[in-house]
Amino acid sequence: DSGVTQTPKHLITATGQRVTLRCSPRSGDLSVYWYQQSLDQGLQFLIQYYNGEERAKGNILERFSAQQFPDLHSELNLSSLELGDSALYFCASSVGVFEANVLTFGAGSRLTVL
Amino acid sequence: SQQGEEDPQALSIQEGENATMNCSYKTSINNLQWYRQNSGRGLVHLILIRSNEREKHSGRLRVTLDTSKKSSSLLITASRAADTASYFCAKAAGNKLTFGGGTRVLVKP
Repeated sequence: DSGVTQTPKHLITATGQRVTLRCSPRSGDLSVYWYQQSLDQGLQFLIQYYNGEERAKGNILERFSAQQFPDLHSELNLSSLELGDSALYFCASSVGVFEANVLTFGAGSRLTVL
Repeated sequence: SQQGEEDPQALSIQEGENATMNCSYKTSINNLQWYRQNSGRGLVHLILIRSNEREKHSGRLRVTLDTSKKSSSLLITASRAADTASYFCAKAAGNKLTFGGGTRVLVKP
């Protein structure tokens, strides 16, 4: 157990739908990162939050959004889902604000869009 | 293309042999990190080497960094079946940590 908790572990939904993935960072970590891992795109950085504020944005689609709440948990919202959104979505956390810190990853949420 | 490209993409060895994988990058880095991912699981941090370091060891892992060639290597000595996993290098530059495509390592018993 890495200390980073992600729910749900698996999610199957249909195209056009909206889902929310949740992440609780490791105790003491203030930064949360979201990554998407698919077979053809590898591990893609989506977005980073630090203590409730957005700090860095990567290859995140406009259909996707995220936020970090005062208790530091984070949610990644994926809307108007397409087949190509099927992937493993990882949350990671770190102590500091810079992404160059060592990341602790959760076990991931596997999204299947049918 | 992604920063931190790994080579080879896949590697198959016998238990007890050493496994070496390489990572190249294109721009200056603050540090370079290696992570392991067991099939379908989250990534686990293995080792971090700073830009002013040339070599680092952690147990059976040895990492080297050559900033002049913009490359790093990860050596796993005396491999075990449990080392079967994908290994990713991650390049840290400024506020970004960019992962490569990974090397899939299969250790046959």
